[in-house]
Amino acid sequence: DAKTTQPNSMESNEEEPVHLPCNHSTISGTDYIHWYRQLPSQGPEYVIHGPTSNVNNRMASLAIAEDRKSSTLILHRATLRDAAVYYCILRDVRRTYKYIFGTGTRLKVLA
Amino acid sequence: DSGVTQTPKHLITATGQRVTLRCSPRSGDLSVYWYQQSLDQGLQFLIQYYNGEERAKGNILERFSAQQFPDLHSELNLSSLELGDSALYFCASSVGQGGSLSSYNEQFFGPGTRLTVL
Repeated sequence: DAKTTQPNSMESNEEEPVHLPCNHSTISGTDYIHWYRQLPSQGPEYVIHGPTSNVNNRMASLAIAEDRKSSTLILHRATLRDAAVYYCILRDVRRTYKYIFGTGTRLKVLA
Repeated sequence: DSGVTQTPKHLITATGQRVTLRCSPRSGDLSVYWYQQSLDQGLQFLIQYYNGEERAKGNILERFSAQQFPDLHSELNLSSLELGDSALYFCASSVGQGGSLSSYNEQFFGPGTRLTVL
């Protein structure tokens, strides 16, 4: 199974953009990259997902390297509510359909 | 509120016992997923069902089993419980079964069932 690696923690100032990195050097051609986040004492919630770069939604953007071995979740303007653990996840969408979770990055947003 | 319900919220039991966790997906969702979150292992995908059939299998132990019923609710059965099975168990649901960019594959998580094995 492919594996994801994320920094344990990051800090950001409120109202500034946040770039959360994820390495997945063993990604296969059939893996999609997903991001979920988990706010304190809650279940995870979906952020974004895609196979290639330039995926955007109201919450974030997903930038994927050309070789797909790394990706970056971009929060456009951090708010205090964005303080959470962010998980970078790979999912094989053609064969096993398994989800492989990273250890997550704890994002702290400073007021 | 995600619309996914899980019962019970808390469960305390002894080693060697068997428990059943229940999940009701959001109305209209056909997929149900089960996850385990523990302090030492983090968040792990266990299994996915789509419209009653097993769709994907993760790191689910042989002592654990799941099923999805015709009304689409799902149950996760944990047997011969060990101390290491103590964890938060999440259920999630989605409309689709995954594999595309469609928003139908966005998962909505329930509040979880906290299992404590003594």
